[in-house]
Amino acid sequence: KQEVTQIPAALSVPEGENLVLNCSFTDSAIYNLQWFRQDPGKGLTSLLLIQSSQREQTSGRLNASLDKSSGRSTLYIAASQPGDSATYLCAVKETSGSRLTFGEGTQLTVNP
Amino acid sequence: KAGVTQTPRYLIKTRGQQVTLSCSPISGHRSVSWYQQTPGQGLQFLFEYFSETQRNKGNFPGRFSGRQFSNSRSEMNVSTLELGDSALYLCASSLGDRGHKDEQFFGPGTRLTVL
Repeated sequence: KQEVTQIPAALSVPEGENLVLNCSFTDSAIYNLQWFRQDPGKGLTSLLLIQSSQREQTSGRLNASLDKSSGRSTLYIAASQPGDSATYLCAVKETSGSRLTFGEGTQLTVNP
Repeated sequence: KAGVTQTPRYLIKTRGQQVTLSCSPISGHRSVSWYQQTPGQGLQFLFEYFSETQRNKGNFPGRFSGRQFSNSRSEMNVSTLELGDSALYLCASSLGDRGHKDEQFFGPGTRLTVL
């Protein structure tokens, strides 16, 4: 059974800092991995999708990497801003179907 | 292009009642998945519908059911509500082609409170 773990559970940083969020998964047989952002009480916003054959994806200040063999992904946020404050979730899509298995998330606070 | 829409946004029900939630996917998307989000359990997969057929199912009791219509809109039904069913219910839509590029897009969710 796939298990996804995110470290740290919470992170508080000053504005302008570069930061890394970590995601690990137990079964490397995945189709892709998605990073999402969730604001309090809201739905999920897709940030980046990395296919299993890819090593990284970039969108603006965000860069996500994937090491499928070791079961790890990282989300790098450059020059953090207060508007980046949210919970960040990673999810893997398994080859056995379309379901996503989510981690518990990292709650990020960027202080002005 | 309109995003995923869910109705209603908020619901308050009492134990024993039943409830129906609705999800309209992004135009052209044929797959709709449902998730339950609670503080204790996080995001858990309920089921997925593709072309009006249930394609995948999570570990939830039979009180949770769903269906999909020919226009890809989906409904989820919960019967005999329990206090533990209080949660944010999220639906996600995608092309559903099972490929590596199949990206999931989520709606704003329906907040269900069971009293």
